[in-house]
Amino acid sequence: EPEVTQTPSHQVTQMGQEVILRCVPISNHLYFYWYRQILGQKVEFLVSFYNNEISEKSEIFDDQFSVERPDGSNFTLKIRSTKLEDSAMYFCASRTDTDTQYFGPGTRLTVL
Amino acid sequence: AQTVTQSQPEMSVQEAETVTLSCTYDTSESDYYLFWYKQPPSRQMILVIRQEAYKQQNATENRFSVNFQKAAKSFSLKISDSQLGDAAMYFCAYVNTGTASKLTFGTGTRLQVTL
Repeated sequence: EPEVTQTPSHQVTQMGQEVILRCVPISNHLYFYWYRQILGQKVEFLVSFYNNEISEKSEIFDDQFSVERPDGSNFTLKIRSTKLEDSAMYFCASRTDTDTQYFGPGTRLTVL
Repeated sequence: AQTVTQSQPEMSVQEAETVTLSCTYDTSESDYYLFWYKQPPSRQMILVIRQEAYKQQNATENRFSVNFQKAAKSFSLKISDSQLGDAAMYFCAYVNTGTASKLTFGTGTRLQVTL
Protein backbone atom coordinates (compact mmCIF):
# COMPACT_ATOMS: atom_id res chain seq x y z
CA GLU A 1 0.00 0.00 0.00
CA PRO A 2 1.42 3.42 -0.96
CA GLU A 3 2.52 5.62 1.92
CA VAL A 4 3.99 9.03 2.62
CA THR A 5 7.68 8.91 3.50
CA GLN A 6 9.79 11.48 5.31
CA THR A 7 13.52 11.97 5.77
CA PRO A 8 15.38 12.24 8.00
CA SER A 9 13.57 10.61 10.90
CA HIS A 10 15.55 12.73 13.36
CA GLN A 11 17.49 15.93 12.71
CA VAL A 12 19.64 17.68 15.28
CA THR A 13 20.82 21.18 14.46
CA GLN A 14 22.33 24.24 16.09
CA MET A 15 20.25 27.37 16.60
CA GLY A 16 20.55 29.66 13.60
CA GLN A 17 21.27 26.87 11.12
CA GLU A 18 19.14 26.07 8.10
CA VAL A 19 17.35 22.74 7.88
CA ILE A 20 15.46 21.06 5.05
CA LEU A 21 12.91 18.41 5.85
CA ARG A 22 11.97 16.13 3.00
CA CYS A 23 8.77 14.33 2.14
CA VAL A 24 7.70 12.04 -0.66
CA PRO A 25 3.89 12.17 -0.88
CA ILE A 26 1.79 9.35 -2.29
CA SER A 27 2.30 9.44 -6.05
CA ASN A 28 -1.19 10.31 -7.30
CA HIS A 29 -1.93 12.84 -4.56
CA LEU A 30 -2.51 16.46 -5.44
CA TYR A 31 -2.59 18.35 -2.14
CA PHE A 32 0.34 18.52 0.27
CA TYR A 33 0.62 19.72 3.83
CA TRP A 34 3.06 20.34 6.62
CA TYR A 35 2.03 20.14 10.26
CA ARG A 36 4.05 20.30 13.42
CA GLN A 37 3.60 18.94 16.92
CA ILE A 38 5.55 20.32 19.84
CA LEU A 39 6.10 17.56 22.41
CA GLY A 40 3.00 17.03 24.51
CA GLN A 41 0.86 19.39 22.46
CA LYS A 42 -1.64 19.07 19.65
CA VAL A 43 -0.87 18.90 15.98
CA GLU A 44 -0.81 22.35 14.32
CA PHE A 45 -1.22 23.24 10.67
CA LEU A 46 1.67 25.03 9.00
CA VAL A 47 1.02 25.20 5.26
CA SER A 48 -0.90 23.64 2.40
CA PHE A 49 0.34 23.39 -1.18
CA TYR A 50 -1.54 22.73 -4.39
CA ASN A 51 -0.77 23.22 -8.06
CA ASN A 52 2.77 24.34 -7.26
CA GLU A 53 1.80 27.14 -4.95
CA ILE A 54 0.89 27.75 -1.33
CA SER A 55 -2.87 27.53 -0.77
CA GLU A 56 -2.94 28.53 2.86
CA LYS A 57 -0.47 29.15 5.64
CA SER A 58 -0.80 29.62 9.37
CA GLU A 59 0.59 32.37 11.58
CA ILE A 60 3.40 30.00 12.52
CA PHE A 61 4.58 29.88 8.90
CA ASP A 62 6.53 33.11 8.87
CA ASP A 63 9.35 34.30 6.61
CA GLN A 64 11.71 31.76 8.14
CA PHE A 65 9.74 28.94 6.55
CA SER A 66 9.41 27.98 2.90
CA VAL A 67 8.11 25.02 0.95
CA GLU A 68 9.02 23.67 -2.42
CA ARG A 69 8.17 20.85 -4.75
CA PRO A 70 11.42 20.72 -6.70
CA ASP A 71 10.46 17.74 -8.85
CA GLY A 72 7.51 15.46 -9.39
CA SER A 73 7.98 13.51 -6.18
CA ASN A 74 9.59 15.49 -3.35
CA PHE A 75 7.99 18.12 -1.14
CA THR A 76 10.32 20.01 1.16
CA LEU A 77 10.02 22.30 4.17
CA LYS A 78 12.93 24.67 4.78
CA ILE A 79 13.56 26.56 7.99
CA ARG A 80 16.16 29.24 7.26
CA SER A 81 17.42 30.10 10.72
CA THR A 82 16.23 27.66 13.35
CA LYS A 83 15.20 28.74 16.83
CA LEU A 84 14.93 26.69 20.00
CA GLU A 85 11.13 26.84 19.76
CA ASP A 86 11.22 25.17 16.34
CA SER A 87 12.02 21.89 18.11
CA ALA A 88 9.05 19.67 17.29
CA MET A 89 7.83 16.73 15.27
CA TYR A 90 7.12 17.81 11.69
CA PHE A 91 4.57 15.82 9.71
CA CYS A 92 4.00 15.83 6.00
CA ALA A 93 0.58 14.80 4.70
CA SER A 94 -0.99 14.39 1.30
CA ARG A 95 -4.33 13.63 -0.26
CA THR A 96 -6.13 13.18 -3.54
CA ASP A 97 -9.29 15.13 -4.31
CA THR A 98 -11.01 13.42 -1.39
CA ASP A 99 -10.61 14.99 2.02
CA THR A 100 -8.68 12.25 3.81
CA GLN A 101 -5.11 13.24 4.54
CA TYR A 102 -2.47 10.56 4.96
CA PHE A 103 0.48 11.33 7.17
CA GLY A 104 4.12 10.44 6.95
CA PRO A 105 6.00 9.05 9.97
CA GLY A 106 7.34 12.50 10.89
CA THR A 107 10.73 14.11 11.34
CA ARG A 108 11.80 14.93 14.86
CA LEU A 109 13.68 18.23 14.79
CA THR A 110 15.86 19.09 17.76
CA VAL A 111 17.37 22.59 17.88
CA LEU A 112 20.23 23.02 20.36
CA ALA B 1 -12.62 29.59 12.91
CA GLN B 2 -13.30 25.98 13.64
CA THR B 3 -12.34 24.49 17.00
CA VAL B 4 -12.13 20.90 18.21
CA THR B 5 -12.36 20.03 21.90
CA GLN B 6 -11.39 16.79 23.57
CA SER B 7 -12.27 17.08 27.23
CA GLN B 8 -10.70 13.81 28.40
CA PRO B 9 -6.90 14.12 28.65
CA GLU B 10 -6.60 10.49 29.73
CA MET B 11 -8.77 7.40 29.68
CA SER B 12 -8.20 3.86 30.82
CA VAL B 13 -9.88 0.63 29.74
CA GLN B 14 -9.40 -3.01 30.55
CA GLU B 15 -8.48 -5.39 27.79
CA ALA B 16 -11.57 -6.74 25.97
CA GLU B 17 -13.77 -3.96 27.37
CA THR B 18 -15.34 -1.04 25.53
CA VAL B 19 -14.33 2.60 25.84
CA THR B 20 -15.72 5.81 24.38
CA LEU B 21 -13.61 8.89 23.67
CA SER B 22 -15.40 12.23 23.40
CA CYS B 23 -14.98 15.03 20.91
CA THR B 24 -16.96 18.18 20.25
CA TYR B 25 -16.37 20.76 17.58
CA ASP B 26 -17.57 24.16 16.59
CA THR B 27 -18.25 25.24 13.03
CA SER B 28 -20.69 27.30 11.02
CA GLU B 29 -20.21 25.10 7.97
CA SER B 30 -22.70 22.44 6.94
CA ASP B 31 -20.39 20.28 4.85
CA TYR B 32 -17.26 18.89 6.43
CA TYR B 33 -15.43 15.72 7.47
CA LEU B 34 -14.42 14.45 10.86
CA PHE B 35 -11.62 12.04 11.65
CA TRP B 36 -10.05 10.12 14.46
CA TYR B 37 -6.30 9.62 14.25
CA LYS B 38 -4.26 7.34 16.47
CA GLN B 39 -0.74 8.27 17.55
CA PRO B 40 1.20 5.41 19.19
CA PRO B 41 4.53 5.99 20.98
CA SER B 42 6.29 6.00 17.60
CA ARG B 43 4.38 9.29 17.04
CA GLN B 44 3.15 8.29 13.60
CA MET B 45 -0.34 9.62 12.81
CA ILE B 46 -2.58 6.73 11.77
CA LEU B 47 -6.07 7.25 10.39
CA VAL B 48 -8.61 5.28 12.40
CA ILE B 49 -11.95 6.34 10.99
CA ARG B 50 -13.65 9.14 9.06
CA GLN B 51 -17.18 10.53 8.91
CA GLU B 52 -18.76 12.72 6.25
CA ALA B 53 -21.08 15.30 7.78
CA TYR B 54 -23.77 14.78 5.15
CA LYS B 55 -24.09 11.10 6.04
CA GLN B 56 -26.44 10.30 8.89
CA GLN B 57 -25.13 6.77 9.24
CA ASN B 58 -22.32 6.40 11.74
CA ALA B 59 -19.04 5.13 10.33
CA THR B 60 -17.59 1.82 11.50
CA GLU B 61 -14.22 0.17 10.94
CA ASN B 62 -13.98 -3.25 12.55
CA ARG B 63 -13.80 -2.62 16.34
CA PHE B 64 -13.98 1.16 15.91
CA SER B 65 -17.22 3.05 15.50
CA VAL B 66 -18.37 6.63 15.92
CA ASN B 67 -21.42 8.31 17.33
CA PHE B 68 -21.91 11.38 15.16
CA GLN B 69 -24.47 13.89 16.43
CA LYS B 70 -24.45 16.75 13.93
CA ALA B 71 -26.88 19.01 15.74
CA ALA B 72 -24.95 18.64 18.98
CA LYS B 73 -21.61 18.90 17.12
CA SER B 74 -20.42 15.80 18.85
CA PHE B 75 -18.23 13.03 17.40
CA SER B 76 -17.28 10.28 19.84
CA LEU B 77 -15.16 7.22 19.13
CA LYS B 78 -16.10 3.82 20.55
CA ILE B 79 -13.48 1.11 20.73
CA SER B 80 -14.89 -2.35 21.34
CA ASP B 81 -12.98 -5.39 22.57
CA SER B 82 -10.01 -3.19 23.47
CA GLN B 83 -6.56 -4.61 22.81
CA LEU B 84 -3.15 -3.73 24.25
CA GLY B 85 -2.20 -2.37 20.84
CA ASP B 86 -4.94 0.24 21.10
CA ALA B 87 -2.95 2.12 23.73
CA ALA B 88 -2.05 5.46 22.15
CA MET B 89 -2.97 9.13 21.89
CA TYR B 90 -6.18 9.64 19.96
CA PHE B 91 -6.80 12.89 18.15
CA CYS B 92 -10.12 14.10 16.82
CA ALA B 93 -9.82 16.29 13.72
CA TYR B 94 -12.06 18.41 11.52
CA VAL B 95 -11.74 19.60 7.94
CA ASN B 96 -13.97 21.71 5.74
CA THR B 97 -14.74 20.27 2.36
CA GLY B 98 -13.13 22.09 -0.49
CA THR B 99 -9.73 22.60 -1.97
CA ALA B 100 -6.62 22.32 0.16
CA SER B 101 -8.48 22.57 3.44
CA LYS B 102 -6.40 22.11 6.57
CA LEU B 103 -7.08 19.73 9.43
CA THR B 104 -7.89 21.22 12.81
CA PHE B 105 -6.99 18.90 15.67
CA GLY B 106 -8.13 18.54 19.25
CA THR B 107 -5.67 18.27 22.11
CA GLY B 108 -5.88 14.49 22.23
CA THR B 109 -6.87 11.76 24.67
CA ARG B 110 -4.27 9.34 25.97
CA LEU B 111 -5.77 5.85 26.16
CA GLN B 112 -4.27 3.26 28.47
CA VAL B 113 -5.23 -0.39 28.10
CA THR B 114 -4.77 -2.56 31.18
CA LEU B 115 -4.78 -6.32 31.62
